[in-house]
Amino acid sequence: EVQLVESGGVVVQPGGSLRLSCAASGFTFDDYAMHWVRQAPGKGLEWVSLISWDGGSTYYADSVKGRFTISRDNSKNSLYLQMNSLRAEDTALYYCAKDMGLGSGIPDYWGQGTLVTVSS
Amino acid sequence: EIVMMQSPATLSVSPGERATLSCRASQSVSSNLAWYQQKPGQAPRLLIYGASTRATGIPARFSGSGSGTEFTLTISSLQSEDFAVYYCQQYNNWPRGTFGQGTKVEIK
Repeated sequence: EVQLVESGGVVVQPGGSLRLSCAASGFTFDDYAMHWVRQAPGKGLEWVSLISWDGGSTYYADSVKGRFTISRDNSKNSLYLQMNSLRAEDTALYYCAKDMGLGSGIPDYWGQGTLVTVSS
Repeated sequence: EIVMMQSPATLSVSPGERATLSCRASQSVSSNLAWYQQKPGQAPRLLIYGASTRATGIPARFSGSGSGTEFTLTISSLQSEDFAVYYCQQYNNWPRGTFGQGTKVEIK
């Protein structure tokens, strides 16, 4: 069974930094690209970032480019999101999600999310 | 950026009835369209990809159709567990998939 467990979400001040983690199990982690997707309170879904299976390629939404960095450690079956220069509009539930594979761009399994609140 | 627009925002349906949800893309996304279901307090669940292919374990009462810019998700006979918010997502503009704003299916 695929399991994705996010952690690291806290309340942080504007301009601050945070690192989210996602622990994966139940599938061969280094066979798949991985996504971060976020959902602001009461709002819809917004794709944030994607990393290739080997970490060699990374992609970002324009709204976070230059501020967020996605990475992975295949030896630990873990995905990360380093978030810098945080803004109020980054407040959201952050989901990690497994890509369906073959470069599809389809998140097929999602974790339960970790809440990031940016507030002074 | 490809903008996805879903209608209606809210759909009121009685159990056992058919529900039809629409999703329109601002430009063609071919058949690169997925549908997700999200219940309160839960993560999204993939229902449909490739516009019409059901994901693993998804009941046959869920079906998707369309291509280009117009797509439909049909739930043939609503069950109590189907009341939720449904999102469409295009992944044609890989990897920057964009989601619609969602359609809430509520009990009439």
